[in-house]
Amino acid sequence: DVKVTQSSRYLVKRTGEKVFLECVQDMDHENMFWYRQDPGLGLRLIYFSYDVKMKEKGDIPEGYSVSREKKERFSLILESASTNQTSMYLCASSLTGATPLHFGNGTRLTVT
Amino acid sequence: DQQVKQNSPSLSVQEGRISILNCDYTNSMFDYFLWYKKYPAEGPTFLISISSIKDKNEDGRFTVFLNKSAKHLSLHIVPSQPGDSAVYFCAASSPYNTDKLIFGTGTRLQVFP
Repeated sequence: DVKVTQSSRYLVKRTGEKVFLECVQDMDHENMFWYRQDPGLGLRLIYFSYDVKMKEKGDIPEGYSVSREKKERFSLILESASTNQTSMYLCASSLTGATPLHFGNGTRLTVT
Repeated sequence: DQQVKQNSPSLSVQEGRISILNCDYTNSMFDYFLWYKKYPAEGPTFLISISSIKDKNEDGRFTVFLNKSAKHLSLHIVPSQPGDSAVYFCAASSPYNTDKLIFGTGTRLQVFP
């Protein structure tokens, strides 16, 4: 069974801090994704990666960057956290394409 | 611009009855549709999907219907069970961008005894 692990369930950071969200998958999947979930807005794609060192912008990449140095690991970076980045962040992976996605349990980030 | 819309933020259904969750889309290029289910404090899990070449797909208690002319899909759960209480997201992708799923805003289903 595919396992997508997000390193933190809850994070509280201050405005201006640099924040790293880590995600690891154990099924040798090619594609990895970062989404954020907000009430009334559903899941919105921030960035995705289809190969090591490759990345593509999603719908809301502003204020974020990503890193994929190894196939199993995909990191989301908030260079300078802001309060409007308070959200639930969900990492996902897929073998090919976007379907079906296997999600981690999410990281709830609060920026104060 | 919300390309995938779930206009009902919540739905309450009695156990044993049918639950119908609706989803509308605007992009006629979408050709693959999925439903995900999400419990609190967990990530979404894949439930059922349908390709645009079909108008119905069934898996146990779950059936998805696709009406391409109306750009509408629905998820039927029958009979509904308390364990079905969750948030349901529909999602869509196009053949020109298979790496990218567009999600709806979600519908919270509550099944009461």
